[in-house]
Amino acid sequence: LAKTTQPISMDSYEGQEVNITCSHNNIATNDYITWYQQFPSQGPRFIIQGYKTKVTNEVASLFIPADRKSSTLSLPRVSLSDTAVYYCLVGDRGYSTLTFGKGTMLLVSP
Amino acid sequence: DVKVTQSSRYLVKRTGEKVFLECVQDMDHENMFWYRQDPGLGLRLIYFSYDVKMKEKGDIPEGYSVSREKKERFSLILESASTNQTSMYLCASSPPHLMGAEAFFGQGTRLTVV
Repeated sequence: LAKTTQPISMDSYEGQEVNITCSHNNIATNDYITWYQQFPSQGPRFIIQGYKTKVTNEVASLFIPADRKSSTLSLPRVSLSDTAVYYCLVGDRGYSTLTFGKGTMLLVSP
Repeated sequence: DVKVTQSSRYLVKRTGEKVFLECVQDMDHENMFWYRQDPGLGLRLIYFSYDVKMKEKGDIPEGYSVSREKKERFSLILESASTNQTSMYLCASSPPHLMGAEAFFGQGTRLTVV
């Protein structure tokens, strides 16, 4: 599984757009990029997944450049309830386990 | 609504006790996982199972065993609980191929061993 590097923490204010970047320099051709969100005292929750270019759902957007060595999770107009840890994971379709790094702790303030 | 249910939210056990943590999923998923989460260490995989009666060691299996007698149920067993097993335990389930799919997690069991 490709190793990922994310910032340990980020701070933002309500209403701002937040971009969290994940580096995965040794991503393989068949690897997908997945982001999970974890609130305190809860299990992680799937947010979004992509392979290349841009993916958007009702929660977030995922931007993946052509070389796929990094990806950016974009959260539009964050609220206090978006305070959580965000994990970036990389792996291929045949992989049967999830390996979590330490994630990025996002703190949203009023 | 899909669901992964862990039997207890909070548990306090004594050192040396045998502890069972139960997890049930209602999505007919093949894969099930047990993680523990500790401050500063993130989520670490203990064991996983990709089919009934099948199990594979994760990154930190020492001191733990698992049982999967039915597809929907995956149990984590602490044969002789120790204080260093005080942690948040998270169960998850997923379809066979994780990329292109998502894993669903339970709410977690916070185990304290005294």
